[in-house]
Amino acid sequence: NAGVTQTPKFQVLKTGQSMTLQCAQDMNHNSMYWYRQDPGMGLRLIYYSASEGTTDKGEVPNGYNVSRLNKREFSLRLESAAPSQTSVYFCASSDGRRLAGNEQFFGPGTRLTVL
Amino acid sequence: GQQLNQSPQSMFIQEGEDVSMNCTSSSIFNTWLWYKQDPGEGPVLLIALYKAGELTSNGRLTAQFGITRKDSFLNISASIPSDVGIYFCAGLLSGTYKYIFGTGTRLKVLA
Repeated sequence: NAGVTQTPKFQVLKTGQSMTLQCAQDMNHNSMYWYRQDPGMGLRLIYYSASEGTTDKGEVPNGYNVSRLNKREFSLRLESAAPSQTSVYFCASSDGRRLAGNEQFFGPGTRLTVL
Repeated sequence: GQQLNQSPQSMFIQEGEDVSMNCTSSSIFNTWLWYKQDPGEGPVLLIALYKAGELTSNGRLTAQFGITRKDSFLNISASIPSDVGIYFCAGLLSGTYKYIFGTGTRLKVLA
């Protein structure tokens, strides 16, 4: 039981390049999330998927797209990377079906640098 | 954007001391979560709270869900060096799937 896994762990891009961050969970959770974390700040929600087949914008969605590929996988795409997207990206999941299932679990993160 | 007010921002304490931190918001939450994050790692869930007034413990950690549903508190008793890290609160906005995070409390324990 690996929980939430993310690939890659580290990535360096040049301005304008594109890439996709991958996330998978093996807890049979309905809801999945992408956050970014910048120095001295908390986690800010980029996009989330409340259930398979749905996606919604979070607080900072500009410059990103997401795909909920199936119940297990939720990917984040940067179409044209910018230096302002240098950050640590975390994927998370939660059961999302009932009050007692609102615990959210995080992956280890992807450290992205855009030059 | 929405964020929780978390305080203190940082604190240095002596080993063996008790620690308190809190989060407040103008929004109502139906779940409060407390996390610890070590350098280079993802946040790890410490405690989850589901009802207003609920008090929950996990070893030396105790957290409370505020009566107004707009705040939460975390206490760490008899701190030890491995308690060092950043502690985050997170609230699930009532009626949504969105979690709002505090800006973190950086804890340093002096042996």
